Amino acid sequence: AQTVTQSQPEMSVQEAETVTLSCTYDTSENNYYLFWYKQPPSRQMILVIRQEAYKQQNATENRFSVNFQKAAKSFSLKISDSQLGDTAMYFCAFMKWGTGANNLFFGTGTRLTVIP
Amino acid sequence: SAVISQKPSRDICQRGTSLTIQCQVDSQVTMMFWYRQQPGQSLTLIATANQGSEATYESGFVIDKFPISRPNLTFSTLTVSNMSPEDSSIYLCSVGQSSTDTQYFGPGTRLTVL
Repeated sequence: AQTVTQSQPEMSVQEAETVTLSCTYDTSENNYYLFWYKQPPSRQMILVIRQEAYKQQNATENRFSVNFQKAAKSFSLKISDSQLGDTAMYFCAFMKWGTGANNLFFGTGTRLTVIP
Repeated sequence: SAVISQKPSRDICQRGTSLTIQCQVDSQVTMMFWYRQQPGQSLTLIATANQGSEATYESGFVIDKFPISRPNLTFSTLTVSNMSPEDSSIYLCSVGQSSTDTQYFGPGTRLTVL
């Protein structure tokens, strides 16, 4: 079974600063995908970034980047130049590769507050 | 990505009643999923909605409690049956174009059971 652990229930960062959210996971799969989703107070789950396990290069989307360490089963999210709109719950998620019902396994989330 | 809508956006229901939640996508999608997010918790998959066949339920979820329909590639419903206060949650549908595709989520339905 896959498990996803987010050890930081809450974090805060000053506007324009950089913050890193941690995520570790446990799996016996070799091929899989990892995601970060954000859920603002509106409760809409929004994809932030996606990483394929077979890719060594870390994914980047504008101000968002990941540090993917496959051997350590670590997948942290770095938010640069934090903005007030980044305030949200952030969920790390795992999805195995292959056919069949590929559901997402979510961590418990990190509540990020950006302070003006 | 597809535009996903859910109805209703929220509802307050009495114990013992049932509520049907609709998920509509603006384009055909292969995969549709239903998740539950209990208060202050993460998301848990309820089932995969299969077009033209019975849904595939995860451990701990049964068809009698959460019947699901998927009549076509753009629409699905989830019914929460014989509700109790423990069913108070946000219910979200998600879609993907393949088993390796990123899942995109609807806006969710906030259900409160009194």
